[in-house]
Amino acid sequence: GQSLEQPSEVTAVEGAIVQINCTYQTSGFYGLSWYQQHDGGAPTFLSYNGLDGLEETGRFSSFLSRSDSYGYLLLQELQMKDSASYFCAVSPTRGKFQFGAGTQVVVTP
Amino acid sequence: DVKVTQSSRYLVKRTGEKVFLECVQDMDHENMFWYRQDPGLGLRLIYFSYDVKMKEKGDIPEGYSVSREKKERFSLILESASTNQTSMYLCASSLQTGDVNTEAFFGQGTRLTVV
Repeated sequence: GQSLEQPSEVTAVEGAIVQINCTYQTSGFYGLSWYQQHDGGAPTFLSYNGLDGLEETGRFSSFLSRSDSYGYLLLQELQMKDSASYFCAVSPTRGKFQFGAGTQVVVTP
Repeated sequence: DVKVTQSSRYLVKRTGEKVFLECVQDMDHENMFWYRQDPGLGLRLIYFSYDVKMKEKGDIPEGYSVSREKKERFSLILESASTNQTSMYLCASSLQTGDVNTEAFFGQGTRLTVV
């Protein structure tokens, strides 16, 4: 079967840097994605890694190491609006997305 | 903009009722998904469809069935609703580009309460 592990909660102050780790076990691998969800809202796509390395999108970066079955999302220059849940999602087969339990990021002033 | 529309935001049904949750996407995406979201458990895949009339079970298909008669529409059916199916249900769609799973677009969710 498939499993994904990520921390349940991270707290940081405005302006700080936060790293959310995700380790996975899957029978197949077609990429690792990250999604953000604010309270009461729908998940929205942040980034995708299909190959090893770092992908940067503004203040957010995502990293993948396929040999370690590991990835992370890096949130830089934290802002209050970054308070949300963050989900890693693995694609174990073509087309399918399976999500982790999510990490609640709490940003304090 | 891609739009994924779920037919209801809130739904209250009685135990034993047959419940239909409808989802429509307007971007001609091949893939459509139904997830349920419960606190501390993240998003769990119920069913996945990669084409019209094609479906695959996800992690928690028991008590659910799906229908995809047209590309833009994916329905989730609770054959006989039970209280443990009280949850937030999220529909999503994505475009398949070769072997790459492009981003999933989510609807706003249906909060289903079974009493």
